Amino acid sequence: GDSVTQMEGPVTLSEEAFLTINCTYTATGYPSLFWYVQYPGEGLQLLLKATKADDKGSNKGFEATYRKETTSFHLEKGSVQVSDSAVYFCALIGSSNTGKLIFGQGTTLQVKP
Amino acid sequence: ETGVTQTPRHLVMGMTNKKSLKCEQHLGHNAMYWYKQSAKKPLELMFVYNFKEQTENNSVPSRFSPECPNSSHLFLHLHTLQPEDSALYLCASSQELAGGSYNEQFFGPGTRLTVL
Repeated sequence: GDSVTQMEGPVTLSEEAFLTINCTYTATGYPSLFWYVQYPGEGLQLLLKATKADDKGSNKGFEATYRKETTSFHLEKGSVQVSDSAVYFCALIGSSNTGKLIFGQGTTLQVKP
Repeated sequence: ETGVTQTPRHLVMGMTNKKSLKCEQHLGHNAMYWYKQSAKKPLELMFVYNFKEQTENNSVPSRFSPECPNSSHLFLHLHTLQPEDSALYLCASSQELAGGSYNEQFFGPGTRLTVL
């Protein structure tokens, strides 16, 4: 079945460092891909998405590119801030598209001043 | 109100209590979901409702009973829970599009449940 694998956390960075959180997926066809963010004590917020190969999703300085050839959707940000500290979830909706979101296990990001 | 709201935000209950969690979406969506988020475990999809009909039940124990009276409201009725049911319960909604595909899910803030 469909699945999502994220890099293990926690990831600890200094403010203004470059961020990469790796995400790879297994799915048939062309799934839609998402990054969600969960700040402490809150629910999940959609950060960005891409619905077809080579699409780049971007929001709040974060970017991710849908790479069909490597089945990846890595999250990047050029300069992180303390306020970016949160848990980041990579997810997909399969091409059969029953609406069911498949999540990765989440990666905790800690940014220190 | 906008987006997806959940009440209560925090709930403490004994194992013999009966309580209900409420979710309301103000987005005009037609599909709603319950998830369970436990510490150090992946998000678990519990139930899916599409046009008020339950379309998925992921082997959830019967002590959790969902109810979807209309496409804007979703309840999770709880009874005789166990301490291991303590978790953050998240509600989400999405829209089924023409052709049967779905757009992304929008989440509420969750209910933090503690079972004593």
